[in-house]
Amino acid sequence: AQKITQTQPGMFVQEKEAVTLDCTYDTSDQSYGLFWYKQPSSGEMIFLIYQGSYDEQNATEGRYSLNFQKARKSANLVISASQLGDSAMYFCAMREGEGYSTLTFGKGTMLLVSP
Amino acid sequence: DAGVIQSPRHEVTEMGQEVTLRCKPISGHNSLFWYRQTMMRGLELLIYFNNNVPIDDSGMPEDRFSAKMPNASFSTLKIQPSEPRDSAVYFCASSLVLGSDSLRKNIQYFGAGTRLSVL
Repeated sequence: AQKITQTQPGMFVQEKEAVTLDCTYDTSDQSYGLFWYKQPSSGEMIFLIYQGSYDEQNATEGRYSLNFQKARKSANLVISASQLGDSAMYFCAMREGEGYSTLTFGKGTMLLVSP
Repeated sequence: DAGVIQSPRHEVTEMGQEVTLRCKPISGHNSLFWYRQTMMRGLELLIYFNNNVPIDDSGMPEDRFSAKMPNASFSTLKIQPSEPRDSAVYFCASSLVLGSDSLRKNIQYFGAGTRLSVL
């Protein structure tokens, strides 16, 4: 079974609208971390937001927020007020276990923001 | 502060040649990761160092691949001999991992990547 599943290969949104990018995960560990990265067309991987499995509140970073539903094992990224510069690939990733720091990435979702 | 620095940004080589990719992690970080990104397989971890020691190299494809970290500020990924199927974007990432505290974020910061084309 895939550890990280991103079911949306591509998403379209109009500028200034909000968009949700889906991510579900599979782990039997109680302790894990969930990450979102952005990869624009220039290729670099940019860290956006982190959610720990023990965090009681949903993480927020500026226009990015993470809708964390532990029982459903989902960690969806919400981008509010989309901007043209948000057009990029978005990857969800998970780190499992105690102190073990490697990440497993999903296949990614391509987001296109139109004027 | 400088981020993770990778060189070269682009590499074009012929099949059979040796390729060396370089990475300078963020100063003060103690963990370094090499990833490979392809359309077919996505992002895959190749190898992971902690305090310059290889911890997990289970992702290294085969003996043609080798990685070293001679000191805390430099790592190399070498492919010898290179093959067309090695064409990919290779990323280096670094992180500060403090003990086994799972509550820590241990965020990995990525370099800009090296786009390798083996003809």
